[in-house]
Amino acid sequence: DAKTTQPPSMDCAEGRAANLPCNHSTISGNEYVYWYRQIHSQGPQYIIHGLKNNETNEMASLIITEDRKSSTLILPHATLRDTAVYYCIVRALEYGNKLVFGAGTILRVKS
Amino acid sequence: GAGVSQSPSNKVTEKGKDVELRCDPISGHTALYWYRQSLGQGLEFLIYFQGNSAPDKSGLPSDRFSAERTGGSVSTLTIQRTQQEDSAVYLCASSLQDAWGRGVQPQHFGDGTRLSIL
Repeated sequence: DAKTTQPPSMDCAEGRAANLPCNHSTISGNEYVYWYRQIHSQGPQYIIHGLKNNETNEMASLIITEDRKSSTLILPHATLRDTAVYYCIVRALEYGNKLVFGAGTILRVKS
Repeated sequence: GAGVSQSPSNKVTEKGKDVELRCDPISGHTALYWYRQSLGQGLEFLIYFQGNSAPDKSGLPSDRFSAERTGGSVSTLTIQRTQQEDSAVYLCASSLQDAWGRGVQPQHFGDGTRLSIL
């Protein structure tokens, strides 16, 4: 799986959009971009995933650059409960491929 | 609906004892994964089950670790002769497989079992 690079930490004001970047410059054509987050003392929570098109669901939006070498997770109106570690993972289509978690980005939403 | 359920939520045991950790996946999910997360460390893959196929055991750290999945549903992770370095949060995840049997569908995690070895 391709390596991802994320900033170690970010701050965001409550009610504002949180934009979390991820670089995956060695991503290959069959690799999806997944985002998970982990709130303290809980298991990771799936947020969103995409291949090359932008995706949106009830939690967030995923913007993938045209060359697929980077992506941005957008939480449109961050709340204090969005404070968590956010993981960007690229994952191939191979059957049953495991998730490889990096260090992620600690997002602190402040009032 | 019900998510992935793990039990116990916390387990404290003495070094050298055996422990069993249980995972109830989401109903209908055919794929099941075990991970562990040590203090200050990232999540580490341990083992993967898919239907009746042979499990992928490539992440198990030693032969003291084993796992079973009975009837394609509940799974137990067993650690024999526990050591202090086994202290970690053990996480279970499950997912659907798509029509082609590929692992595209997202994995959904339980809240884990926090294992402490004294």
